[in-house]
Amino acid sequence: QVQLVQSGAEVKKPGASVKVSCKASGYTFTSYDINWVRQATGQGLEWMGWMNPKSGKTGRGQRFQGRVTMTSNTDTSTAYMELSSLTSEDTAVYYCVRVVGSIDYWGQGTLVTVSS
Amino acid sequence: DVQMTQSPSSLSASVGDRVTITCRASQDIRNELGWYQQKPGKAPKRLIYAASSLESGVPSRFSGSGSGTEFTLTITSLQPEDFATYYCLQHYNYPPLTFGGGTKVEIK
Repeated sequence: QVQLVQSGAEVKKPGASVKVSCKASGYTFTSYDINWVRQATGQGLEWMGWMNPKSGKTGRGQRFQGRVTMTSNTDTSTAYMELSSLTSEDTAVYYCVRVVGSIDYWGQGTLVTVSS
Repeated sequence: DVQMTQSPSSLSASVGDRVTITCRASQDIRNELGWYQQKPGKAPKRLIYAASSLESGVPSRFSGSGSGTEFTLTITSLQPEDFATYYCLQHYNYPPLTFGGGTKVEIK
């Protein structure tokens, strides 16, 4: 069965960076895009960007230009999302998702807390 | 980019009620829309894809309709386990993806 398993919760100071991992299993990792979505506490879902594991091509939402880096390791079927210059507004649950048309599978989420 | 306007943002309903949630797109997105259910502390789960196709294993009381710019999620005979937040998601001309603002369905 398809699974996306993310790394554990993180606490970071303002100005720092965080890197979240997402290990895929149950399908051919290079066949579908991985996207990242975040959700602040009590808020809605916000799309951050996409990555094609086969080509390495990526794209970001305007709000995240210059701050988010998405990479992958095809040997381990793992995607990564690094967000830099963190502020308190980046405190949220971050999800990796598989996109086949729309989103069909979600990781369990990784809570990133930004606090001094 | 396509904008999605979802309404209402919240509603109160009783077990057995019929519930309707609407998403409007800022431009024609054909049928490239899905509906998701999210319960507290959990990742969202897809209920409907391609505007009206029911995901495998999802109860038939859930249905989706619409195309173009107006879409509806209907829950007939609301059950206790249906109290959750629902989101629409458009993927026309992906990327990007755009979510509606969400509808919280609460117990009356």
